[in-house]
Amino acid sequence: DAGVTQSPTHLIKTRGQQVTLRCSPKSGHDTVSWYQQALGQGPQFIFQYYEEEERQRGNFPDRFSGHQFPNYSSELNVNALLLGDSALYLCASSLEQGQGSPLHFGNGTRLTVT
Amino acid sequence: GDSVTQMEGPVTLSEEAFLTINCTYTATGYPSLFWYVQYPGEGLQLLLKATKADDKGSNKGFEATYRKETTSFHLEKGSVQVSDSAVYFCALSLYSSASKIIFGSGTRLSIRP
Repeated sequence: DAGVTQSPTHLIKTRGQQVTLRCSPKSGHDTVSWYQQALGQGPQFIFQYYEEEERQRGNFPDRFSGHQFPNYSSELNVNALLLGDSALYLCASSLEQGQGSPLHFGNGTRLTVT
Repeated sequence: GDSVTQMEGPVTLSEEAFLTINCTYTATGYPSLFWYVQYPGEGLQLLLKATKADDKGSNKGFEATYRKETTSFHLEKGSVQVSDSAVYFCALSLYSSASKIIFGSGTRLSIRP
């Protein structure tokens, strides 16, 4: 039973560019959340997708956007990259919003902006 | 706003020592509380949780009790092992889905053989 998978594992981009990160949820899960983890810090909630819609959003600018596909996989897009966007981006999946099921995290994508 | 404060690391202990990692929270409403662990090279894993006051979460020898009067959720283990070396995150959620989690900054734990 595959857990949460993320791609790519590492990525280097230049300031001002755009990036897309991908996530496949754990089998049977239908809700995907994205988190940003800066070095030495705890993860910060970016947004959550359920039924292909953004359901909740954290305190992140509109440069951060996402998408969920009918197969529940998800993408995180970041436009106009800033040096401060360098971080580990974590995807987490769970079973249906409101069920109280625990989050399952992927190993993350390490984004470096130069 | 809602937040989690946990003791700064790194924490270094000898094998079989007693472990306490302090965690306090500030929240509106009645949060659920969690401890997550991040082993080297791996993703975050839920270690234990408690959803209401006086609940005790436990797993793998770790325990934490939800103390509403002191707004705390301290992590304890009676005898640590080298394999417990990891970063530990205290966290809370105000939603029953637990999808929007507020994390503390993490405590790095290193256990000496």
